[in-house]
Amino acid sequence: GAVVSQHPSWVICKSGTSVKIECRSLDFQATTMFWYRQFPKQSLMLMATSNEGSKATYEQGVEKDKFLINHASLTLSTLTVTSAHPEDSSFYICSARDLEGREQYFGPGTRLTVT
Amino acid sequence: GQNIDQPTEMTATEGAIVQINCTYQTSGFNGLFWYQQHAGEAPTFLSYNVLDGLEEKGRFSSFLSRSKGYSYLLLKELQMKDSASYLCAVPDSNYQLIWGAGTKLIIKP
Repeated sequence: GAVVSQHPSWVICKSGTSVKIECRSLDFQATTMFWYRQFPKQSLMLMATSNEGSKATYEQGVEKDKFLINHASLTLSTLTVTSAHPEDSSFYICSARDLEGREQYFGPGTRLTVT
Repeated sequence: GQNIDQPTEMTATEGAIVQINCTYQTSGFNGLFWYQQHAGEAPTFLSYNVLDGLEEKGRFSSFLSRSKGYSYLLLKELQMKDSASYLCAVPDSNYQLIWGAGTKLIIKP
């Protein structure tokens, strides 16, 4: 089946620094990738939709200047959390939709802890 | 708008059968997904239904009734490793998944 990887799998950073998370589709092309955030014991919340070669579409309440998304190729999207704060500590999950557009394949997630 | 409801938590016994229900309200319909999510991990795909009826896949089956806006996930021969959250999701018109809050399934020996 299709595989999506994320890097890093976990990261600890200091408040005020920036963190970049990579999402890669390893064996298929993904025109669309999605970024989710999940706080403990809560459901996934969509942050933004990333389309290759165009600007990401952010969900209401998600600051686009804080969560920078770049989808430079059909196999790579990056999420940069700028000026991270402790409240940004969460589990960040990406998913990629294949060209048929039916199923989303999830990455393993990145656990971010901001101290 | 779109709305998805599923029970918050269910408990079942190892070896038994459990049915997790999901009701949804959508302006259009592009299918319904079930995902399994173990604590601290990303969701994994279980099933996708777009037509009415039951689809069986090993110990897991998923049922859909579009007219009733209803789906269920049926888990048979429960194993301890099935303890997880089960998420019902429907895509909107842009194929972005709208998620239910998830049902936490607790399996007891």
